[in-house]
Amino acid sequence: QKEVEQDPGPLSVPEGAIVSLNCTYSNSAFQYFMWYRQYSRKGPELLMYTYSSGNKEDGRFTAQVDKSSKYISLFIRDSQPSDSATYLCAMISGGSYIPTFGRGTSLIVHP
Amino acid sequence: EPEVTQTPSHQVTQMGQEVILRCVPISNHLYFYWYRQILGQKVEFLVSFYNNEISEKSEIFDDQFSVERPDGSNFTLKIRSTKLEDSAMYFCASSQGTGANVLTFGAGSRLTVL
Repeated sequence: QKEVEQDPGPLSVPEGAIVSLNCTYSNSAFQYFMWYRQYSRKGPELLMYTYSSGNKEDGRFTAQVDKSSKYISLFIRDSQPSDSATYLCAMISGGSYIPTFGRGTSLIVHP
Repeated sequence: EPEVTQTPSHQVTQMGQEVILRCVPISNHLYFYWYRQILGQKVEFLVSFYNNEISEKSEIFDDQFSVERPDGSNFTLKIRSTKLEDSAMYFCASSQGTGANVLTFGAGSRLTVL
């Protein structure tokens, strides 16, 4: 079983839709949870990170962590064509500082 | 905003040749990393570097690879005797190493081995 599972997509939605992106994980030692966005042929850039279970909101983005289910989500409200990118979840365990990445979900927001 | 810069953006090399990829991390960051992303696959950890030595490395980072911080600003990844399967995007990243240890990535160096 892979440590971090993420559906590669692609996920195609119309502009203005609410997008839900998800990751599951198997390592209960993961404590920090991050979402990175990667545009084509660019490096990943951090969108949000959370430490505990619950929700964290930043503008149109909401990150949600459910440690009991080992499940994290990223919600994007009022999606825009500029949101089209690959979204990678990443996690760090308490005993390390090296993020483990999911394989990323490709999101396409069409006008 | 501070950024991680990588050179070259694209390198084409013949199988068996040596390649050096260069990175300038963010100046007040203490931890440096190399990750690899083969086309269509996940971002994979290669190595981390702290206090002028390797602090962690993955199974991928074998004797073919080495890292160096030759001066106060550059951080390099050397790949000896390149193989076809080394073709990938190589990302350098740096972090302060505290709290959530958020990594800042460079734009990547695309390596094509022919």
